[in-house]
Amino acid sequence: EPEVTQTPSHQVTQMGQEVILRCVPISNHLYFYWYRQILGQKVEFLVSFYNNEISEKSEIFDDQFSVERPDGSNFTLKIRSTKLEDSAMYFCASKNRGATEAFFGQGTRLTVV
Amino acid sequence: AQSVAQPEDQVNVAEGNPLTVKCTYSVSGNPYLFWYVQYPNRGLQFLLKYITGDNLVKGSYGFEAEFNKSQTSFHLKKPSALVSDSALYFCAVRDIGGQGGKLIFGQGTELSVKP
Repeated sequence: EPEVTQTPSHQVTQMGQEVILRCVPISNHLYFYWYRQILGQKVEFLVSFYNNEISEKSEIFDDQFSVERPDGSNFTLKIRSTKLEDSAMYFCASKNRGATEAFFGQGTRLTVV
Repeated sequence: AQSVAQPEDQVNVAEGNPLTVKCTYSVSGNPYLFWYVQYPNRGLQFLLKYITGDNLVKGSYGFEAEFNKSQTSFHLKKPSALVSDSALYFCAVRDIGGQGGKLIFGQGTELSVKP
């Protein structure tokens, strides 16, 4: 069964460093998302991406964040200068055109120290 | 603004007993509602959805959910719980105001099924 895959599963980074979280969405999907879950809190929407551009972003998704689909398969989230409060589980998701449900990856746990 | 509430942080059930995980929503218009499950150290897995039609929807692993428009609820149910059902359950509603189909999640309910 096709699935969304995310790498790495866990990343530790120093405050102020740049990180790139990688996702391979399901191959024929057209809508891509990033969500995050701070430990003990709810899953929060960050950004949606369609047709090679951001279709919506939340207040969390400020200038420190960017997304890219550099080739036909990968979808990346970059945090330019990490802060301690960026520590969270980051989930990638994808959805096909006409579908209602999104499918999520297993997540990348980002720890900023 | 659209929102989802899961009033219980934790639900404890004995194996073999029925379980209910509660969810209420607040949306303008007709809601698209979802349940996802998160097992330890795993991602979010889609369980079931309500879009339209029959108020009782069936999903994976024997779960079902009942849409109740008058009570604005979408409770998750299972007739007979298994220990392996122990996980974190999230209710979500699709945001109809945005352009990207984002999901708005509840805060999650930890289900613990004891033998």
